[in-house]
Amino acid sequence: DTGVSQDPRHKITKRGQNVTFRCDPISEHNRLYWYRQTLGQGPEFLTYFQNEAQLEKSRLLSDRFSAERPKGSFSTLEIQRTEQGDSAMYLCASSFGRLEKLFFGSGTQLSVL
Amino acid sequence: GEDVEQSLFLSVREGDSSVINCTYTDSSSTYLYWYKQEPGAGLQLLTYIFSNMDMKQDQRLTVLLNKKDKHLSLRIADTQTGDSAIYFCAEKRGFQKLVFGTGTRLLVSP
Repeated sequence: DTGVSQDPRHKITKRGQNVTFRCDPISEHNRLYWYRQTLGQGPEFLTYFQNEAQLEKSRLLSDRFSAERPKGSFSTLEIQRTEQGDSAMYLCASSFGRLEKLFFGSGTQLSVL
Repeated sequence: GEDVEQSLFLSVREGDSSVINCTYTDSSSTYLYWYKQEPGAGLQLLTYIFSNMDMKQDQRLTVLLNKKDKHLSLRIADTQTGDSAIYFCAEKRGFQKLVFGTGTRLLVSP
């Protein structure tokens, strides 16, 4: 399967702990996006990369959040000192070309206790 | 405001047509999209429309765009139980970012 894959699917952590999620995009896609989705809401944009460069970050992305995409392939999203309000589904998507057809992974569901 | 708005819920019977509506905010959006999300899954692109078009048909799906009112709709013909899901519209803002609506939950009953 050559779709977008995310790991882990579920993560339960205690408040104050650090967590890291991984996203492997479709191999020929040069753009990679992170979105966050809470229950009953649409996905909210967090950040995006073109190749290895992080080109835009949302105001939602506090200093506790950091994303990387070394070598323009897979990406990681780290949340430090997690808070209960961080509980959400974290979605990764990738795309290429002008049309901006985003292909989404199945997401990582984070629960902060 | 900055929100892309959708009605929360729609219920139809199998075989009927479904119409899901969306009001977007940025008149300069170049592309508008419809995505489908099934339980526990990511979003799947259904169709899209370029902003200089007013209609696009793709098999059972028809997208209508009213740029003057910033209104987008998705019509699903001959709705099936497998169409039950949450449907999101999205607009492309700026160079790359997609902004999503709040989602419409479609329930199709036999």
